[in-house]
Amino acid sequence: DAKTTQPNSMESNEEEPVHLPCNHSTISGTDYIHWYRQLPSQGPEYVIHGLTSNVNNRMASLAIAEDRKSSTLILHRATLRDAAVYYCILLRNFNKFYFGSGTKLNVKP
Amino acid sequence: ETGVTQTPRHLVMGMTNKKSLKCEQHLGHNAMYWYKQSAKKPLELMFVYSLEERVENNSVPSRFSPECPNSSHLFLHLHTLQPEDSALYLCASSQDPLGGTTEAFFGQGTRLTVV
Repeated sequence: DAKTTQPNSMESNEEEPVHLPCNHSTISGTDYIHWYRQLPSQGPEYVIHGLTSNVNNRMASLAIAEDRKSSTLILHRATLRDAAVYYCILLRNFNKFYFGSGTKLNVKP
Repeated sequence: ETGVTQTPRHLVMGMTNKKSLKCEQHLGHNAMYWYKQSAKKPLELMFVYSLEERVENNSVPSRFSPECPNSSHLFLHLHTLQPEDSALYLCASSQDPLGGTTEAFFGQGTRLTVV
């Protein structure tokens, strides 16, 4: 399995930026870095992905270290609806998504 | 609504019962997955089907039997389950590309309780 390591939980204030870290020191050259989040009572939903370069979309930004052994998901302005478990995943062989324990994000009003 | 529909949403079954979970997607995807999510544990990848053929089976007990009759439907047949099999079972689909990457779309899951 392609292993990732994330903090168990993090807390943020509403309207402030949040940086969610992920370590993936065993990443291989062809592994993509994906982030998903899971809200209570729902299945995971896609957030963002990247390979080597930093990426931005309407939900978040992804900053990837130069050696690719770590990455950071950035939520620019956290809202209460962003409270969820965030998973950092290495996509191997294009169709094998292995999830780690994730980071539970709590957003305070 | 993600485009991936799972039925039933909740299921309670005895250890001697036989039941099936159903997953359906109309996103035009060619890869489908079953995951198990137990309390306080990471999602576990159980089965992967790509182009209707099983490409991954992560040492799942034989009491779980998947079936993928076509690219839009995926089943998980259950028989003689144990109480520790109680969990949220999630289905997902994606487009298995020749190159590049893809995102997966998940259903809302079936909450299974084995009594």
